[in-house]
Amino acid sequence: GQQLNQSPQSMFIQEGEDVSMNCTSSSIFNTWLWYKQDPGEGPVLLIALYKAGELTSNGRLTAQFGITRKDSFLNISASIPSDVGIYFCAGQKYGNKLVFGAGTILRVKS
Amino acid sequence: DAGVIQSPRHEVTEMGQEVTLRCKPISGHDYLFWYRQTMMRGLELLIYFNNNVPIDDSGMPEDRFSAKMPNASFSTLKIQPSEPRDSAVYFCANSNLLPSGRVGPGELFFGEGSRLTVL
Repeated sequence: GQQLNQSPQSMFIQEGEDVSMNCTSSSIFNTWLWYKQDPGEGPVLLIALYKAGELTSNGRLTAQFGITRKDSFLNISASIPSDVGIYFCAGQKYGNKLVFGAGTILRVKS
Repeated sequence: DAGVIQSPRHEVTEMGQEVTLRCKPISGHDYLFWYRQTMMRGLELLIYFNNNVPIDDSGMPEDRFSAKMPNASFSTLKIQPSEPRDSAVYFCANSNLLPSGRVGPGELFFGEGSRLTVL
């Protein structure tokens, strides 16, 4: 079946540092989404990308839809303690269900 | 809007018991999804509905699992009989259609989840 490879699996960074994570697939997707999950909560949508090459920002977060449509990355600038959580990428082909990556666990040292 | 509402938030039960998880979706969102999350397997789609009709139940693990959506404002996921390996967090999620010109479910909005422990 379709699989998304999300990396890194986990990160432990210093407050103020920038963070970068990505998702790759052997399949082409038409939509890429990035979610964040806080402990004890459901995933919350951060950014949605609908076009190859699209670069979208949401505050300190920036995500890009890869030009090949097989990958996407998420950057977080100047990390703060509340950025802690699990970040998931998700890809979708038209008319199909979302496929989720395994998640990147982010820990921030203050 | 209150968002997706799930109940119970936590359930502890014994093996063999019936478990019913409930979801009240966001009004007007046509797609409803049931996901299961575990450390080992991550987020797994169990089943999804469009306009109350089950579209894809290929992710339902076995016959012990069933889901219904009797109307647009309520869905249930039932496990009977429950087993320890069913222990997980179960999420209900909603979406509407993708932006115009596209087909299929769009951005998912998740509930807070129901944490199930089967002893």
